[in-house]
Amino acid sequence: KAGVTQTPRYLIKTRGQQVTLSCSPISGHRSVSWYQQTPGQGLQFLFEYFSETQRNKGNFPGRFSGRQFSNSRSEMNVSTLELGDSALYLCASSLNGDVEQFFGPGTRLTVL
Amino acid sequence: TQLLEQSPQFLSIQEGENLTVYCNSSSVFSSLQWYRQEPGEGPVLLVTVVTGGEVKKLKRLTFQFGDARKDSSLHITAAQPGDTGLYLCAGLPMDSSYKLIFGSGTRLLVRP
Repeated sequence: KAGVTQTPRYLIKTRGQQVTLSCSPISGHRSVSWYQQTPGQGLQFLFEYFSETQRNKGNFPGRFSGRQFSNSRSEMNVSTLELGDSALYLCASSLNGDVEQFFGPGTRLTVL
Repeated sequence: TQLLEQSPQFLSIQEGENLTVYCNSSSVFSSLQWYRQEPGEGPVLLVTVVTGGEVKKLKRLTFQFGDARKDSSLHITAAQPGDTGLYLCAGLPMDSSYKLIFGSGTRLLVRP
């Protein structure tokens, strides 16, 4: 069974731009969660989607948004990029948002 | 605020030594997971513990969930250079908000 895939793996943007990251969950998994990982803050929860609905949200500004499609694939969008948005963005899938989440390799975003 | 505190933050040991990593909280979790992450990659799930007092073994790794489900430990016996990485604990809060709370991580270096 293929794992969680994320595209692109690396991205360089400049301040003020926007970016869209994509995540394809493990086949059959209906829940996708997004996390931001930085050296200073560690892994922080962004949001979780289940059956195309956002079920939970972390403490991030509205510039961070996401969506999930009927095939469970998910995208997250960051608008008006700031230098502090530079991070590894990870998505994780699980069957129903339950105990076991499986992570993708992440997208390394650098904002210049 | 639900927090998971991991200790130690950094650990550098010689091959063959034993070590224990701790994950503590004042909150109760319905389950707790341990992940290992290598540079530039997503966390890889090692184990999930769900029952208070539960002990699970994975080769040289022993995981324990505290009786009160507020803490956990990871013990590695006879560490090898391949064990090098960032170890993360993550808990699912009792309110079942589908939001994994991550510890700050323990960076382990096993020297040959």
